[in-house]
Amino acid sequence: DQQVKQNSPSLSVQEGRISILNCDYTNSMFDYFLWYKKYPAEGPTFLISISSIKDKNEDGRFTVFLNKSAKHLSLHIVPSQPGDSAVYFCAAKSDSNYQLIWGAGTKLIIKP
Amino acid sequence: EPEVTQTPSHQVTQMGQEVILRCVPISNHLYFYWYRQILGQKVEFLVSFYNNEISEKSEIFDDQFSVERPDGSNFTLKIRSTKLEDSAMYFCANRRLYGSEQYFGPGTRLTVT
Repeated sequence: DQQVKQNSPSLSVQEGRISILNCDYTNSMFDYFLWYKKYPAEGPTFLISISSIKDKNEDGRFTVFLNKSAKHLSLHIVPSQPGDSAVYFCAAKSDSNYQLIWGAGTKLIIKP
Repeated sequence: EPEVTQTPSHQVTQMGQEVILRCVPISNHLYFYWYRQILGQKVEFLVSFYNNEISEKSEIFDDQFSVERPDGSNFTLKIRSTKLEDSAMYFCANRRLYGSEQYFGPGTRLTVT
């Protein structure tokens, strides 16, 4: 049951360029979406989120876009930095409960 | 900045043994969660806990699992009789009463042999 899908297991981007991480979902009851970053041997770190009533949320170098009609969201990181190399997880919750449903993650590699 | 802490960082146990994983949440957070991630797989929800009660649990969270807040600060996950397939990273998370962002601990790596 893949309600949240991250179809790219890995992504390689040149330092200074834009990184775009994608996420698709199937459950129309999801009302809140979150991006987490995870380094090896550490817990997920909250990065940025967006409510379903918005289509964009920006925080410094990170911007999340939500396209509800396409059930698609994306995380943009610009400019990409070496410290951004990590696994990025998309997660979603519905208004009826607070558990997070996770994507499989995308490993982002920033090349110098 | 307050952090979620978890102990131990790594636990090795024999099949059939009981384990208790501990978490100290951020102090003003009132919702608590346990998730696990089997190596190479997705992060999976196990259970959520609020006001000293389980509010949601997944199919994974069967009778072998239990949670409690024994002293009002620690939040524990107990696995009564571990199986090989319980080997995973276990993450504790918590959030404020009003808010959707969950904050995670560093995880406990459980290895069942």
